[in-house]
Amino acid sequence: AQKITQTQPGMFVQEKEAVTLDCTYDTSDQSYGLFWYKQPSSGEMIFLIYQGSYDEQNATEGRYSLNFQKARKSANLVISASQLGDSAMYFCAMSVRGGGFKTIFGAGTRLFVKA
Amino acid sequence: DTAVSQTPKYLVTQMGNDKSIKCEQNLGHDTMYWYKQDSKKFLKIMFSYNNKELIINETVPNRFSPKSPDKAHLNLHINSLELGDSAVYFCASSQGAGWDETQYFGPGTRLLVL
Repeated sequence: AQKITQTQPGMFVQEKEAVTLDCTYDTSDQSYGLFWYKQPSSGEMIFLIYQGSYDEQNATEGRYSLNFQKARKSANLVISASQLGDSAMYFCAMSVRGGGFKTIFGAGTRLFVKA
Repeated sequence: DTAVSQTPKYLVTQMGNDKSIKCEQNLGHDTMYWYKQDSKKFLKIMFSYNNKELIINETVPNRFSPKSPDKAHLNLHINSLELGDSAVYFCASSQGAGWDETQYFGPGTRLLVL
């Protein structure tokens, strides 16, 4: 069965510092995609970054990068130079080819950025 | 221009009522989804349509019925609302139904059943 685990319910980070949000996944499928979404207090779900299982390089999008360690089945999100506007819930998600088109989400990590 | 829109944004209703939530996407995507986010923020897929055909039908009560009149629209009708239906319902869309497709979400509909 496929599973996404986010072990950090909440995290604090000082403004302008980098922060890593942990995500581990479990699947026996060789083809899968990993996603990170941000949900600010206003409630919308914002797509941040995607990593495919066959991608050899870590994905980057502006201040976001995905630290993909396939052997360890981890897909941590790194936010560099944190800003106050980064305070939000962050969800890790996974789709697998044999998963019947379903995307499963982790429980989320709430990030607080301190001024 | 809103890519994925939902109406209404808020819905407060009494137990036993029937209500609908509408979703529209202007991205030209083939696949649309309904998710439910509970009070603990847990997000779970309910339904998915690809080119107007149902491809995901999770274990949800049959009081919930999706309908896709065309590729750009996916509506959710809920009969005989119960207290436990209170949640945020998100519509999403993606280009296709593949494992490598990014889903783009609507703003959510906050449903409160009294």
